[in-house]
Amino acid sequence: SYELTQPPSVSVSPGQTASITCSGDKWGDEYASWYQQKPGQSPVLVIYQDTKRPSGIPERFSGSNSGNTATLTISGTQAMDEADYYCQTWDSSGEVFGTGTKVTVL
Amino acid sequence: EVQLVQSGAEVTRPGESLKISCKCSGYIFTNYWIGWVRQMPGKGLEWMGIVHPADSDTRYSPSFQGQVTISADKSISTAYLQWSSLKASDTAMYYCARRRLGPGGSRFDYWGQGTLVTVSS
Repeated sequence: SYELTQPPSVSVSPGQTASITCSGDKWGDEYASWYQQKPGQSPVLVIYQDTKRPSGIPERFSGSNSGNTATLTISGTQAMDEADYYCQTWDSSGEVFGTGTKVTVL
Repeated sequence: EVQLVQSGAEVTRPGESLKISCKCSGYIFTNYWIGWVRQMPGKGLEWMGIVHPADSDTRYSPSFQGQVTISADKSISTAYLQWSSLKASDTAMYYCARRRLGPGGSRFDYWGQGTLVTVSS
């Protein structure tokens, strides 16, 4: 089955930039979505169609997709951004989520 | 306001059957797929399957095909996830989510609050 690989963890200092990668061999054909999940809460969509932000998502969240890697970038990271992040895409076989990345704001 | 409200936590025994629900409101229920996602304790998100309420078209992840049944009742805007014989390994949080599918791909834009299922003897 199709797999999306993310780094298990990313650490970032407050105010700095965090980049979370999602590797897969179908990014040339499919779009990426990204979800934020804080402890004890449901996932929240933060990026869709590679680069678009839903209403209410801060501008510091951005996305890109190039080659075999989709990337979620958090600029000016805040303590409230500490969470797990998952990429997601789909193809004719169905939906797939990435392995997840824990972002720690030190 | 779009809302997906899931049924409450369940504690059951191995071998028992169970059906949990996801009541949707604030939009036209038959216009969007509803998906189910499993999250085992301390683990990541796993896609289980989707159902389209308009015609009950259902798709399953190969990992969950034959293990669960996904359905929807458009008369009451509610989607369901059910098991016929639970196992201890089914212990997890289960989320429903509204799926948007279009030229920009697929995404889950609204999520339920989750239903915790605990299977223990």
